[in-house]
Amino acid sequence: GIQVEQSPPDLILQEGANSTLRCNFSDSVNNLQWFHQNPWGQLINLFYIPSGTKQNGRLSATTVATERYSLLYISSSQTTDSGVYFCAVGGRSGGYQKVTFGIGTKLQVIP
Amino acid sequence: NAGVTQTPKFRILKIGQSMTLQCTQDMNHNYMYWYRQDPGMGLKLIYYSVGAGITDKGEVPNGYNVSRSTTEDFPLRLELAAPSQTSVYFCASSRQNTEAFFGQGTRLTVV
Repeated sequence: GIQVEQSPPDLILQEGANSTLRCNFSDSVNNLQWFHQNPWGQLINLFYIPSGTKQNGRLSATTVATERYSLLYISSSQTTDSGVYFCAVGGRSGGYQKVTFGIGTKLQVIP
Repeated sequence: NAGVTQTPKFRILKIGQSMTLQCTQDMNHNYMYWYRQDPGMGLKLIYYSVGAGITDKGEVPNGYNVSRSTTEDFPLRLELAAPSQTSVYFCASSRQNTEAFFGQGTRLTVV
């Protein structure tokens, strides 16, 4: 199956700083999502981005499918950005779509 | 439009007991998934379904069963609970090759 690697595994930021999270994947994918898991465990959809670039407020994401990576940018970080960020990719296996998660980047934003 | 709804939110089981985790979605999605998340880890796929009557194993299916008799519902059955099944369980749904939406999770403890 598809392998998904996320980096860095842990990140501590001062409030107001910017950061880039990376997701590498091992095979062609036909969908890719970024999620934020908040401290209460809830998974929040950030971006559905199989290719190209999207922006939503202070967050943006870019996927370069031909080079098998995606980047999540967080600008002007806030304490509410703390949590775990997951990349999940979807590819066809045995004829059906499967979604595989990376192990996440744990972000802590300190005041 | 409630999205993906999981019940219960929390449950404590004794070793050897059985239970069913319920999942229902009202978005008419054909794909549904069950994941488990162990502490500090990403999500691992247990089972998935591409439509009513069709299910298949994911990465960690042992000890679980599923059924998909309707488009809306995708229950996960634990027959003989074991401490190794202590985890947080997430149900998700999607259309083919589109973003997945997750329920709020079920925190299960087996003692």
